[in-house]
Amino acid sequence: DAKTTQPPSMDCAEGRAANLPCNHSTISGNEYVYWYRQIHSQGPQYIIHGLKNNETNEMASLIITEDRKSSTLILPHATLRDTAVYYCIVPGVMNSGYSTLTFGKGTMLLVSP
Amino acid sequence: DAGVTQSPTHLIKTRGQQVTLRCSPKSGHDTVSWYQQALGQGPQFIFQYYEEEERQRGNFPDRFSGHQFPNYSSELNVNALLLGDSALYLCASSFTKLIYRGYYEQYFGPGTRLTVT
Repeated sequence: DAKTTQPPSMDCAEGRAANLPCNHSTISGNEYVYWYRQIHSQGPQYIIHGLKNNETNEMASLIITEDRKSSTLILPHATLRDTAVYYCIVPGVMNSGYSTLTFGKGTMLLVSP
Repeated sequence: DAGVTQSPTHLIKTRGQQVTLRCSPKSGHDTVSWYQQALGQGPQFIFQYYEEEERQRGNFPDRFSGHQFPNYSSELNVNALLLGDSALYLCASSFTKLIYRGYYEQYFGPGTRLTVT
């Protein structure tokens, strides 16, 4: 898997945009970038993924740089319920020909009132 | 539509014992992956099952084994429990045909908290 680097923690005020960065400088041309989050004591939850173009869904936006070496997850109006650990993942292909998710330590986002 | 379910929610075992954890995938999914999450760490991949066979495995000893049933549900078995096996065990399901298109979206269950004393 391509290695990803994320800051260990970030703070955000409620109602403001949260911008979570991720570096993936060794990503190859056909590898996607995935974002998951894990709220305390729950299983991880899929947020969004992208290849080259920016992506948006009901949860977040994903901005990928033109060289694809980094990306930013944007939560446009953060709420207290967005407090969670956010994981940036680039799934690689294992020897079996299939892929799975390799989680790092992620970024702990704390949204405050 | 029920999502991924896991049982039991919590479990306490003694060193040397054996444990079985269960997982039912999201409706329509045919692939089950298991992860171990130690306190303060991200989930670590244990293995993945598809068509009742272990398709790939992470860096875990043979004490960790699994099974997938014809209805796609799965079990994780851990033998000779060690204190270090205390963790949250997560099950995730996915649809293999989507993987061919580059979609690796997995749906996770709430996990089973295993404590080994």
